[in-house]
Amino acid sequence: EVQLVESGGGLVKPGESLRISCAASGFTFSTYAMNWVRQAPGKGLEWVSSISHSSSYIYYADSVKGRFIISRDDAKNSLFLQMNSLRAEDTAVYYCARGDYYGSGMGHWGQGTLITVSS
Amino acid sequence: NFLLTQPHSVSESPGKTITISCTRSSGSIASNYVQWYQQRPGSAPTTVIYEDNQRPSGVPDRFSGSIDSSSNSASLTISGLRTEDEADYYCQSYDTTNLYVFGTGTKVTVL
Repeated sequence: EVQLVESGGGLVKPGESLRISCAASGFTFSTYAMNWVRQAPGKGLEWVSSISHSSSYIYYADSVKGRFIISRDDAKNSLFLQMNSLRAEDTAVYYCARGDYYGSGMGHWGQGTLITVSS
Repeated sequence: NFLLTQPHSVSESPGKTITISCTRSSGSIASNYVQWYQQRPGSAPTTVIYEDNQRPSGVPDRFSGSIDSSSNSASLTISGLRTEDEADYYCQSYDTTNLYVFGTGTKVTVL
């Protein structure tokens, strides 16, 4: 069974940094692209970042480009998102999601981790 | 870049059929596959339709997807509506610049 478990969320102040993680199991992690998607309270889904298998290709939404860094450790079946210069508008539940359907969408999602940016 | 616009909400009685539209603002809806995600309150999204009209295993055949090039939109149809179908539904497609575009979301209420 595919499992994605996010961790590392919490309350941070504007301008601070935070790193969240996603532990994957139940599939060959190294062969899949992985993604981060966020959802602000009461709002819709917003794609944040994607990383291809082998980390060859990395993409960011304009809203986080230059502040967030996605990475992966295939030996540890883990996905990461380093978030710097956090803003109030980054407050959201962050979901880890596996890339599926030949890259056109996401077939499996974690339960999410909440990040609150507030002074 | 393009937007995917959905109706804000849809309500219907149990047993009825509803259709949720997802209209692409520019470029052809047929140029990239559309996925549909269901998100029940307090839960993570799950896929109910992928590649326009395919159902993942475990998703009942009450859920179906289609695209219509004439209206440049995708649709999710839920027939035999059940209380457990009450959720938010999001369409999603692929964009070469913004990678993944999600629709605005539709809240489905089963009366």
